[in-house]
Amino acid sequence: DAKTTQPPSMDCAEGRAANLPCNHSTISGNEYVYWYRQIHSQGPQYIIHGLKNNETNEMASLIITEDRKSSTLILPHATLRDTAVYYCIVRANFGNEKLTFGTGTRLTIIP
Amino acid sequence: DAGVIQSPRHEVTEMGQEVTLRCKPISGHNSLFWYRQTMMRGLELLIYFNNNVPIDDSGMPEDRFSAKMPNASFSTLKIQPSEPRDSAVYFCASRPPGLAGDPRYNEQFFGPGTRLTVL
Repeated sequence: DAKTTQPPSMDCAEGRAANLPCNHSTISGNEYVYWYRQIHSQGPQYIIHGLKNNETNEMASLIITEDRKSSTLILPHATLRDTAVYYCIVRANFGNEKLTFGTGTRLTIIP
Repeated sequence: DAGVIQSPRHEVTEMGQEVTLRCKPISGHNSLFWYRQTMMRGLELLIYFNNNVPIDDSGMPEDRFSAKMPNASFSTLKIQPSEPRDSAVYFCASRPPGLAGDPRYNEQFFGPGTRLTVL
């Protein structure tokens, strides 16, 4: 699986959009980008995933660059409950069951 | 849905003792994963099962660790004998059935974890 690089920490004001970047310059054509988050003292939670098109669901939007070497997770209106560690994971879907979690970005929402 | 259930939520034991962690996956899910999280190593996969069969245990640290899944609704992770370096939060996750290659197949649902402290 391709390696990802994320900033270790970020702050965002409550009510503003939180934009979390992820670099995955070695991504292969069959690899998807997944985002999970882990709120303190809880298990990780799936947020969203994508291949090359931008994706949106009730939790977030995922913007993937045209060359697919980086992506941005957008939380449109951050709340205090969005304070968590956010993990960007890149992996293929064929013959690979594993999710390999890196160090993630610790996002703190400021009141 | 009750989600993935893990027990106990907290376990404190002394070095050398046997520890058994338990997991009940979400009903209807056919894949189960055991993870360990520490400050030093982050979140790492220990073992996973498909249809109650262990598929990949390459993440299991050593022979002191063993995992079983006797049926679709129950799994255990056992450490015998336990050591202080085993202190961590252990997460169980389950995943619904699907076709390999379908990206929705990869959404794992995590339990609340068991915090293990070995003195």
